[in-house]
Amino acid sequence: GIQVEQSPPDLILQEGANSTLRCNFSDSVNNLQWFHQNPWGQLINLFYIPSGTKQNGRLSATTVATERYSLLYISSSQTTDSGVYFCAANAYSGAGSYQLTFGKGTKLSVIP
Amino acid sequence: EPEVTQTPSHQVTQMGQEVILRCVPISNHLYFYWYRQILGQKVEFLVSFYNNEISEKSEIFDDQFSVERPDGSNFTLKIRSTKLEDSAMYFCASREGGTQYFGPGTRLTVL
Repeated sequence: GIQVEQSPPDLILQEGANSTLRCNFSDSVNNLQWFHQNPWGQLINLFYIPSGTKQNGRLSATTVATERYSLLYISSSQTTDSGVYFCAANAYSGAGSYQLTFGKGTKLSVIP
Repeated sequence: EPEVTQTPSHQVTQMGQEVILRCVPISNHLYFYWYRQILGQKVEFLVSFYNNEISEKSEIFDDQFSVERPDGSNFTLKIRSTKLEDSAMYFCASREGGTQYFGPGTRLTVL
């Protein structure tokens, strides 16, 4: 199945700094999503982005499908951005279920 | 905005007991999923469900697990005889189009 790798595994930022998180995947994807897991364990959907660029406030994401990577940009980071960021992808399996394969995540800590 | 809901938020059980985790997917969605996350690890796929039957399952989803859509709204995951290693956060998700929407999770602790 598809392999999803994220980097860096850990990131510590000063409040107000910008950051880029990377996700590499091993196969062509039908679906790629970025999630933020908050301290309560909830998975918050940030972007559905199998290709192209999207922006939502201070967050934006770019997926270059032909080169099999996606980037998540966080600008002007805030302490509430802390948590684990997961990238998850799906390559069409033939059965049509489109289950997601998750990376191991990037743990972001934003300090005041 | 419609959302996936899960109950209970926390479940503590004794090893060997049966547990049922409940989910209410978004109402017009047709594809449903269960995932689990052992503490500190990545989220792993368990099973997908479409048209009242399992469409795919992972090797984790052995005979101790079952899923059901008992009515038009609920989607359940049953673990027949829980083991210590079943302790994890269990997420339900539903999909319509490309995006999967996740519920808040049920934290299962097996003692």
